[in-house]
Amino acid sequence: NAGVTQTPKFRVLKTGQSMTLLCAQDMNHEYMYWYRQDPGMGLRLIHYSVGEGTTAKGEVPDGYNVSRLKKQNFLLGLESAAPSQTSVYFCASSFEREVSYNEQFFGPGTRLTVL
Amino acid sequence: KNQVEQSPQSLIILEGKNCTLQCNYTVSPFSNLRWYKQDTGRGPVSLTIMTFSENTKSNGRYTATLDADTKQSSLHITASQLSDSASYICVVSLDQAGTALIFGKGTTLSVSS
Repeated sequence: NAGVTQTPKFRVLKTGQSMTLLCAQDMNHEYMYWYRQDPGMGLRLIHYSVGEGTTAKGEVPDGYNVSRLKKQNFLLGLESAAPSQTSVYFCASSFEREVSYNEQFFGPGTRLTVL
Repeated sequence: KNQVEQSPQSLIILEGKNCTLQCNYTVSPFSNLRWYKQDTGRGPVSLTIMTFSENTKSNGRYTATLDADTKQSSLHITASQLSDSASYICVVSLDQAGTALIFGKGTTLSVSS
């Protein structure tokens, strides 16, 4: 049981290049999320998905696109990378459950630098 | 504006000592409050989750408290270990689904021998 995995772990891009970050989970979770973490700031939600084939915008969605074609995978795309997108990206997943909370399990992160 | 403020920003303690981290929030609506531990270069790991009706919850040497009236929470670490060196993040959720989390900036704890 690997939990939440992310590929790649590190990436350097030039301004204007595109790339896709892959998140995979083997816990049969319904919900998946993409966050970014910048120095001196709390994590911020980019996009999330509440099930296969669905996606929704978070707090900072501009410049990113996502897809959830399979339940276990959640892809984050940067069509034209900008230096402002230099950050550490975390994927998370959680069950859908009707309880008072919904614990999220995080991946190890992808460190992206845009030159 | 929804905000989660943590203090202190950083803390250094000797191994074996206790410490308490603080979290104040101005968030509405409130669903639950979470504490996460984030080791350097790793993703956050959940320590505790509390709803407004819970005022304390423990996870081993970690004990979180919540005062929903004053909108304050604390994380107490007992008998600290070197492995406790990490960033501790307070997070408030606006909904049960967890799709609207407000993250604090974290407190960086360093435990020295």
